Amino acid sequence: DAMVIQNPRYQVTQFGKPVTLSCSQTLNHNVMYWYQQKSSQAPKLLFHYYDKDFNNEADTPDNFQSRRPNTSFCFLDIRSPGLGDAAMYLCATSRTSGNTGELFFGEGSRLTVL
Amino acid sequence: QKEVEQDPGPLSVPEGAIVSLNCTYSNSAFQYFMWYRQYSRKGPELLMYTYSSGNKEDGRFTAQVDKSSKYISLFIRDSQPSDSATYLCAMRPGNTGKLIFGQGTTLQVKP
Repeated sequence: DAMVIQNPRYQVTQFGKPVTLSCSQTLNHNVMYWYQQKSSQAPKLLFHYYDKDFNNEADTPDNFQSRRPNTSFCFLDIRSPGLGDAAMYLCATSRTSGNTGELFFGEGSRLTVL
Repeated sequence: QKEVEQDPGPLSVPEGAIVSLNCTYSNSAFQYFMWYRQYSRKGPELLMYTYSSGNKEDGRFTAQVDKSSKYISLFIRDSQPSDSATYLCAMRPGNTGKLIFGQGTTLQVKP
């Protein structure tokens, strides 16, 4: 089945130790998103790629970076995780033409910062 | 003021009850309205989608949009324990605009 796959599902890191989360998709969607979701809060958009064009949200901290080496893969790098970065990180994809703009989500990567 | 407001609950109902979940919003440009269901420790999955105003029904689920009141609802009939999840409303001004989520309402359906 076509899907959005995130790895790892659970990541534990130490304060300040860099972390990379990965996302792959078999949907061949041209848009990929990274959201941060803290407990009992709405998912918060960090950035998205429209094809190779990177779009950063104004309030996304510099500590967060992303790479999209090809259509299928996208990475979220947290350079120096703080305690406040502990959250579920959701990757999502969508197509931009001829549809509702529905987002397809992966199962998320839950980050714990010690 | 948040663009999208959603009562976080939690909401607890007995099996078979009718559930009403609601969101209000402030941006009159929103055109696409969605409800996502998120099970514990999982990613959200699209449950219902509505364009502009009106109703949409899919099995036990009905989505309503009232653009004049800036109010959307999701009704669940004959609720089941398997409906226990967090329900997120989401909306966007166009099919390529930024999708804005509500906080989510946690629903528990007790057998």
